[in-house]
Amino acid sequence: SQKIEQNSEALNIQEGKTATLTCNYTNYSPAYLQWYRQDPGRGPVFLLLIRENEKEKRKERLKVTFDTTLKQSLFHITASQPADSATYLCALSTGGGNKLTFGTGTQLKVEL
Amino acid sequence: GAVVSQHPSRVICKSGTSVKIECRSLDFQATTMFWYRQFPKKSLMLMATSNEGSKATYEQGVEKDKFLINHASLTLSTLTVTSAHPEDSSFYICSASPSGQYNSPLHFGNGTRLTVT
Repeated sequence: SQKIEQNSEALNIQEGKTATLTCNYTNYSPAYLQWYRQDPGRGPVFLLLIRENEKEKRKERLKVTFDTTLKQSLFHITASQPADSATYLCALSTGGGNKLTFGTGTQLKVEL
Repeated sequence: GAVVSQHPSRVICKSGTSVKIECRSLDFQATTMFWYRQFPKKSLMLMATSNEGSKATYEQGVEKDKFLINHASLTLSTLTVTSAHPEDSSFYICSASPSGQYNSPLHFGNGTRLTVT
């Protein structure tokens, strides 16, 4: 069966440290993968997109890697801040156009 | 840019009534919009793809007669939950991306919290 799995438990880290979130998938061959941030009671907000032929993408304190052999993406937030506390979702392109299927999400909490 | 507005943000209705949720792209045209449903502490589940000027495409297991979708213009899609029941209570979120942009990020509305009593 097809699955997209993220760290199932909440991730608590100390301010200033690097947070690393994982996204593993099975029985998909996505052309690209995206990461979103979602705050409670709000819609997701786009962060980064990485294509199947790209290994790594960076944007400010964010870095995403994409390993199509391992079927895994890693999402890093460096120098984390309490304001980074949120749920982070990975999403795979799974159909025509812009259709996305989302992972289970990881709740990140950055503590002082 | 690329703002998606969803209305209402919260709605409470009685069992058996119908509720309409609107999703508007404010500064771009969207040939396709997507409707998701999210349960507490769970991920987004795609319900259907809304296509301007044609019928929506529903995901497996989603009742098309229960969740009516209309995409009458390039900036507006509506989701109507018909004959709502308590189990329909959920967080409904729409998304869109500008027409002609493929393999691009989705822009989400801020969701509608539906409570059926």
